[in-house]
Amino acid sequence: AQSVSQHNHHVILSEAASLELGCNYSYGGTVNLFWYVQYPGQHLQLLLKYFSGDPLVKGIKGFEAEFIKSKFSFNLRKPSVQWSDTAEYFCAATPSNTGKLIFGQGTTLQVKP
Amino acid sequence: EAQVTQNPRYLITVTGKKLTVTCSQNMNHEYMSWYRQDPGLGLRQIYYSMNVEVTDKGDVPEGYKVSRKEKRNFPLILESPSPNQTSLYFCASSLPGQLYNEQFFGPGTRLTVL
Repeated sequence: AQSVSQHNHHVILSEAASLELGCNYSYGGTVNLFWYVQYPGQHLQLLLKYFSGDPLVKGIKGFEAEFIKSKFSFNLRKPSVQWSDTAEYFCAATPSNTGKLIFGQGTTLQVKP
Repeated sequence: EAQVTQNPRYLITVTGKKLTVTCSQNMNHEYMSWYRQDPGLGLRQIYYSMNVEVTDKGDVPEGYKVSRKEKRNFPLILESPSPNQTSLYFCASSLPGQLYNEQFFGPGTRLTVL
């Protein structure tokens, strides 16, 4: 079955620390990948997306993600987190030729000031 | 303002009492979808619609119905709610070619079934 796995369920960092959140998907064909963020009390919003081309994708607020096809991974990174990055982060995948969007379990990031 | 709206935002009901959660978007999006969010499980897709009168099951469709009679609206219907449907529900929409476009999410509806 198609699935998306996020390795870290709860991450606590201090401000200025570097961030990497893991995401793996299980689908052998073409897949489009997303990271969404949900700030406390707010809607989910898109951080970045990958469809094709350069496997290193840059998104909003200094986030980036790298697509590694051989590892079925799409890890999210940020060199220096801020307190305002405290939120829940979701990796998601859309297998091509489907209307489905499959989410990972989510990672709660808490940044200490 | 471009947005997806859901009503109600909060609902407490009892087992077996039919309810409808409405979803409306003002962006002329073809694609619309419903998700439920549960702790530790992330978001799971219930139903989606590629266009008017076209709907398909997501990963957890049991106990839910949807309809898409007009482009802007995509109501979620629980004919006989049960406690295991207590959850946070999100509606979303996107442009055609939803594989490539971001989905815009509504504010969520928190449903409690007693």
